[in-house]
Amino acid sequence: EAGVAQSPRYKIIEKRQSVAFWCNPISGHATLYWYQQILGQGPKLLIQFQNNGVVDDSQLPKDRFSAERLKGVDSTLKIQPAKLEDSAVYLCASSLWGGETQYFGPGTRLLVL
Amino acid sequence: AQKVTQAQTEISVVEKEDVTLDCVYETRDTTYYLFWYKQPPSGELVFLIRRNSFDEQNEISGRYSWNFQKSTSSFNFTITASQVVDSAVYFCALCDNQGGKLIFGQGTELSVKP
Repeated sequence: EAGVAQSPRYKIIEKRQSVAFWCNPISGHATLYWYQQILGQGPKLLIQFQNNGVVDDSQLPKDRFSAERLKGVDSTLKIQPAKLEDSAVYLCASSLWGGETQYFGPGTRLLVL
Repeated sequence: AQKVTQAQTEISVVEKEDVTLDCVYETRDTTYYLFWYKQPPSGELVFLIRRNSFDEQNEISGRYSWNFQKSTSSFNFTITASQVVDSAVYFCALCDNQGGKLIFGQGTELSVKP
């Protein structure tokens, strides 16, 4: 069974530029999560989707971050404009439904200069 | 508020030693789930175990074992006869019964030296 796929794996941009990350969850998983992991810390949830609806986006900085999950499968996370403090690893995870075990993708390492 | 504390930031052991990683959690929920994930240098979080709040039975999987004690709100992880390949950052996480969000601890970096 294929795992969670993410791209790109690495991205370097300058502050105030925009960037987008893509995630393809495990087939059949209804719930998709985006986490931000700053160096030396545990991951922190940014947004959770159940199918194509948002369940929790309380910690998403909505002035610069946006995410969508069209058709309830793939998802994109966008940052516009990026700030230096957005440098982190962005992890996508999926689960059969909310509360079940989450399986993570390899992550996208973002460096904002 | 929910919280997970991993007080050990770094642990260094020599191969074949046993090592225990501590995890203490806080929650007001009566139903919840606890997890351990491994994050090797490649960066991907690898699922190790999921335990629900009603199951306090300890679990063993090969060299790995977990001790869940509700009385002390702890969910500790022991690696027996550690190996160099066990070197990684290990995260303990808590999930409530409503939404599914994982609350992670700060992680413990384990270094196993040959």
